[in-house]
Amino acid sequence: AQSVTQLGSHVSVSEGALVLLRCNYSSSVPPYLFWYVQYPNQGLQLLLKYTTGATLVKGINGFEAEFKKSETSFHLTKPSAHMSDAAEYFCAVSGRGDYKLSFGAGTTVTVRA
Amino acid sequence: DAGVIQSPRHEVTEMGQEVTLRCKPISGHNSLFWYRQTMMRGLELLIYFNNNVPIDDSGMPEDRFSAKMPNASFSTLKIQPSEPRDSAVYFCASSLAKGGTEAFFGQGTRLTVV
Repeated sequence: AQSVTQLGSHVSVSEGALVLLRCNYSSSVPPYLFWYVQYPNQGLQLLLKYTTGATLVKGINGFEAEFKKSETSFHLTKPSAHMSDAAEYFCAVSGRGDYKLSFGAGTTVTVRA
Repeated sequence: DAGVIQSPRHEVTEMGQEVTLRCKPISGHNSLFWYRQTMMRGLELLIYFNNNVPIDDSGMPEDRFSAKMPNASFSTLKIQPSEPRDSAVYFCASSLAKGGTEAFFGQGTRLTVV
């Protein structure tokens, strides 16, 4: 079964600084990988996903993630944090031929002015 | 499309009462998921339907929980009897049953059992 591990339950960054959220997956074959964002009292919203092809994936709100098979990683980055990026971020995985998503524990991002 | 619609948004009930949460998936989606979110356990997949058929209910905590999908546009999650430890946010999500497609989430139902 596929699973993901998010390193760090909480990340604090200054406004304008780099945001880096780490996610490692466990799967015998390259899976499908996703990053979701959850704002307070809301559902989860897709930021970006990796299926096949280009390993650098760009998403909404200036976020991007790179699939690295050799490192079994799918880290999420944003060059310059904005106050509106304060939220909880979830990495998720699904297997090829399996449609259910398994989520990591989540990383809460706070942005300091 | 209005997205995944869940009702109610908030539910407060007394221990022992029956609780029914409702979900309308996005039209055309043929996979539906129920998740539970708590501080302690994060996001847990409770049950997953494909074409209205339950495929994986291994995440359903115990017999007090049941889920149905009578048609492609409606699903319910029922807890009977409810207990305080069931307090959580319950999310419904839907997707196309196709590799690599994302799930779209509803706004969730915040359940408080007192």
